[in-house]
Amino acid sequence: EAQVTQNPRYLITVTGKKLTVTCSQNMNHEYMSWYRQDPGLGLRQIYYSMNVEVTDKGDVPEGYKVSRKEKRNFPLILESPSPNQTSLYFCASSPGRQGPVGQYFGPGTRLTVT
Amino acid sequence: AQSVTQPDIHITVSEGASLELRCNYSYGATPYLFWYVQSPGQGLQLLLKYFSGDTLVQGIKGFEAEFKRSQSSFNLRKPSVHWSDAAEYFCAVGINDYKLSFGAGTTVTVRA
Repeated sequence: EAQVTQNPRYLITVTGKKLTVTCSQNMNHEYMSWYRQDPGLGLRQIYYSMNVEVTDKGDVPEGYKVSRKEKRNFPLILESPSPNQTSLYFCASSPGRQGPVGQYFGPGTRLTVT
Repeated sequence: AQSVTQPDIHITVSEGASLELRCNYSYGATPYLFWYVQSPGQGLQLLLKYFSGDTLVQGIKGFEAEFKRSQSSFNLRKPSVHWSDAAEYFCAVGINDYKLSFGAGTTVTVRA
């Protein structure tokens, strides 16, 4: 089944404790993105990647890191989480050079930082 | 800078009634336009998209949307809603497939 998977789905952590949220897609997509969703703000893009080793900042990159060492994986890293990073996070992918067809979204990761 | 506005935060509609969700955008050129739906506790699912051509586009679940260049709008419609259409709907715009701007979303409640 074609899908984007994220792990973990739920995470409660404390301020300053480094964490990684994994994202993997099995559709051989070139483009991948991370978003955070907050009430009343919709989805805001954190980082995106156009291909392996090619990443760029989205609209709200502060406090986050990403890497794209393999085409299928795009982990989101919070080096020192803070309470204002409590949010619902979505990973998404899209085919890329085939032309815009819309993004496929993962199920989301709900992160709480205390 | 580009922006996407969904003027209605919450809409309540009776089952079987028609539904229209508004989306306005501000962009330098005609962008690619998308509508997504998010059911409670779920990820986002693509309903439909517009790139060029016929300004009335059909999507899944019986939804359609109309692009109006003069009004910078891309409104979503459904002639007759079902209880399963209760969800949050997001309009998104971009000039490519990897950098999208989303509206704040419209929550739809369906009453029996």
